[in-house]
Parts: sequence; structure tokens; C-alpha cells
Amino acid sequence: AQTVTQSQPEMSVQEAETVTLSCTYDTSESDYYLFWYKQPPSRQMILVIRQEAYKQQNATENRFSVNFQKAAKSFSLKISDSQLGDAAMYFCAYRSATPSGATNKLVFGAGTILRVKS
Amino acid sequence: DAGVTQSPTHLIKTRGQQVTLRCSPISGHKSVSWYQQVLGQGPQFIFQYYEKEERGRGNFPDRFSARQFPNYSSELNVNALLLGDSALYLCASSLRQNTGELFFGEGSRLTVL
Repeated sequence: AQTVTQSQPEMSVQEAETVTLSCTYDTSESDYYLFWYKQPPSRQMILVIRQEAYKQQNATENRFSVNFQKAAKSFSLKISDSQLGDAAMYFCAYRSATPSGATNKLVFGAGTILRVKS
Repeated sequence: DAGVTQSPTHLIKTRGQQVTLRCSPISGHKSVSWYQQVLGQGPQFIFQYYEKEERGRGNFPDRFSARQFPNYSSELNVNALLLGDSALYLCASSLRQNTGELFFGEGSRLTVL
């Protein structure tokens, strides 16, 4: 079974600074997707960024980028120019992409609370 | 267009009671998934339904059941509630069974006393 580990329960960053959230995962599959989701106090889970395992190039979405290290099974999220609205719980998640996979089940880590200081 | 909607948003039950949570997916989405998020933890997969059939089940007891209706809305039922069932229950919809982005609702907060 796949597992996702987020070793930082809580992180703080000064507004306009850069912060990196860590995530490691364990899988025996070669084809999969990795995601970062943001969950603000409103509770709605919002997709921040996704990475396909077969792509060597790291995904970027505006101020958000990832460092995907497939051999090390590491998937960190970098937030540049942090804003007050970035404060939320961030979850790393894994999804299988094998042809036999019949679901879009996500396996989540425990999350990292990000606090942004003004 | 409306996003994923869930009802009720909050509810309180006592041990041994039964609860039904409801989810309406985004229009055109045929897959609905349910997740349980205990306070301080990441969401755990409970079920996925696609085209009204169960396509996946997580490691939850038989007290948990679900169904999907012809209009693709879904219900999650939990019988014989335990204190440990207190959690945020999230519904997510997607266009297809095993591809595409998941869109989440705001969840139903269940408290079991």
C-alpha cells in the first residue's frame, strides 16, 4: 500500500518570503500522480499543483512550484512571495495511474499548517 | 456553475444513532468519492461511485455504506455511530472514474456525543 508522509506539522513564513513544505511517499508503482492541496478554514480542499511521475520537469503554477525527486520519493512544495491568503493546511497526496487502477483514490499525508506573518 | 454541494454542513448525533450525508456533484460529473477527515489528520478514502456502481472501498467497517442515484448525487450512511466517527466528511466529484481532477465540497462536520 502507498503511504504519504509530511514531517512538518507546522511552518511559519514572513509575508513576501519563500517557504518549502516537505513530502515523502512510498510506493512500488512506477506510474502515479502527486498533488498538493490547500485546505483553508472554510474546509474546502483546493488543488494547488499536480505532478505526473513520468514527467521529469517540475510543475509550476504561478508562485507555486514543486521539487520532484522520483528516486528519492520526495515531492516538496515551494511557495514564493508568500501572501496572507496562503495561510492554510497543506496536504500532499498520491494517486495511482496504473492501467489496472479502477479508482481515482487519493492517499493523503497528515498535513502541514502554514502560518503567514505580516 | 455550482460546485460540489454537501448537506448538512454540521450535525450532532449520539452514539448508536444513524446518519445520512448527502452530496451533489458538479453538473456533468459522474464519479463521486467520500473521504473521512478526523481532526488533525489527512482525509481517508471511504468509497468511490461511478455510474451508480461502487468502484472502490477503503478500510472502513460495514457500518459505512453509500449509494449513487441516477442523477449522480450520492448519500453516505453510517450506522451504529461511535465516538470515533466524529469527523469532517468530504465529498469529491470528477468527470471520469480514474482520471481527471477531483473537486471537493466543503464537507459535513459530524459530532458524535
